[in-house]
Amino acid sequence: DQQVKQNSPSLSVQEGRISILNCDYTNSMFDYFLWYKKYPAEGPTFLISISSIKDKNEDGRFTVFLNKSAKHLSLHIVPSQPGDSAVYFCAAQRRETSYDKVIFGPGTSLSVIP
Amino acid sequence: NAGVTQTPKFQVLKTGQSMTLQCAQDMNHEYMSWYRQDPGMGLRLIHYSVGAGITDQGEVPNGYNVSRSTTEDFPLRLLSAAPSQTSVYFCASSYSIRRYAYEQYFGPGTRLTVT
Repeated sequence: DQQVKQNSPSLSVQEGRISILNCDYTNSMFDYFLWYKKYPAEGPTFLISISSIKDKNEDGRFTVFLNKSAKHLSLHIVPSQPGDSAVYFCAAQRRETSYDKVIFGPGTSLSVIP
Repeated sequence: NAGVTQTPKFQVLKTGQSMTLQCAQDMNHEYMSWYRQDPGMGLRLIHYSVGAGITDQGEVPNGYNVSRSTTEDFPLRLLSAAPSQTSVYFCASSYSIRRYAYEQYFGPGTRLTVT
């Protein structure tokens, strides 16, 4: 049973528009969430994170929103650029238990069309 | 800084063979981990380590062994390769403050095929 779900395997967006990637989790004990970006034949790279005490975190074109009651988070990319085309993984962990396992979702492949 | 390095990049094994995937980091990170990536499954944690001499199992540890004799190195051993272990393997490390691990830095991956 997947604890972290990304129900859209793929997403296509026009350059300049907003990309919204969604992630749902089932374990209410998760208290720290991260997004990673992965290009083909490379390792994932960290993009942005959010603690459960916040509902929004922003870093340049990237904003992550957390809705704890719905166990849902989303990553907004504005404006989308062709270089954003990659697979995006949502991840969750229970930091309060220290070094607990980081659980990744299956990923969403984003294509930004020029 | 080289970051996280992994060798080899590609490997083909026959069923029953054993091998070690190497991972090293030069960032003095306490926390290191091994993941496998399979289509539609995301990244699944195999084993992790919170410091030299300390390792623990992840979600899918069966068929794999790890050890952590130094801060820098975290090798992953396949004891008797099976076709189900065909995957892309990623090693990662992260710094920690008061035992809270932060974002992870990943290596470039090892693509393993078991025939």
